[in-house]
Amino acid sequence: DQQVKQNSPSLSVQEGRISILNCDYTNSMFDYFLWYKKYPAEGPTFLISISSIKDKNEDGRFTVFLNKSAKHLSLHIVPSQPGDSAVYFCAASITGNQFYFGTGTSLTVIP
Amino acid sequence: DAGVIQSPRHEVTEMGQEVTLRCKPISGHNSLFWYRQTMMRGLELLIYFNNNVPIDDSGMPEDRFSAKMPNASFSTLKIQPSEPRDSAVYFCASSLATSANYGYTFGSGTRLTVV
Repeated sequence: DQQVKQNSPSLSVQEGRISILNCDYTNSMFDYFLWYKKYPAEGPTFLISISSIKDKNEDGRFTVFLNKSAKHLSLHIVPSQPGDSAVYFCAASITGNQFYFGTGTSLTVIP
Repeated sequence: DAGVIQSPRHEVTEMGQEVTLRCKPISGHNSLFWYRQTMMRGLELLIYFNNNVPIDDSGMPEDRFSAKMPNASFSTLKIQPSEPRDSAVYFCASSLATSANYGYTFGSGTRLTVV
């Protein structure tokens, strides 16, 4: 069973606008969440994280929001740039021991 | 640091053949993970090692899959015999257990095609 779900396989956004990528999880014990970015023919690379004690974490153009009651997190990219075009994976863990990944959302930023 | 190194980058093999994928983790990292990426299931954890010891292999799909970590700098994932449904990208990742909350460092992956 997929404990971490990304229900949108793809997303297209105009350059300069906001990109919002969503992720849902089922295990209420998850306490740490990550977003990874993956370019073709490369491995995923760490982008941003959030602990369950927070509801928001910001790093430059990237902000992750966590809604524990809804078991939902989202990644906001503002403003979106063509170089942001990639596949984004969310991942969740219990105390960081083992991460469960979603199926990924392919983001295309249109110039 | 060269990062996590996987070989080969691409492997094409015939059904029934043995396939061995290799991984060299980042020096000093004590946790190593093997993932498989498919369209349907995303990144799926197959097995992970801590200090060279297999901790959780519940993700290994069948007895045809086996993984070893004979020392801190090398791991293999073997499929014998291979089947067309094993075709996927296989990633190796490593981390330092005490800082695992910063995520893993992934290799570039091995794209396996079984025909």
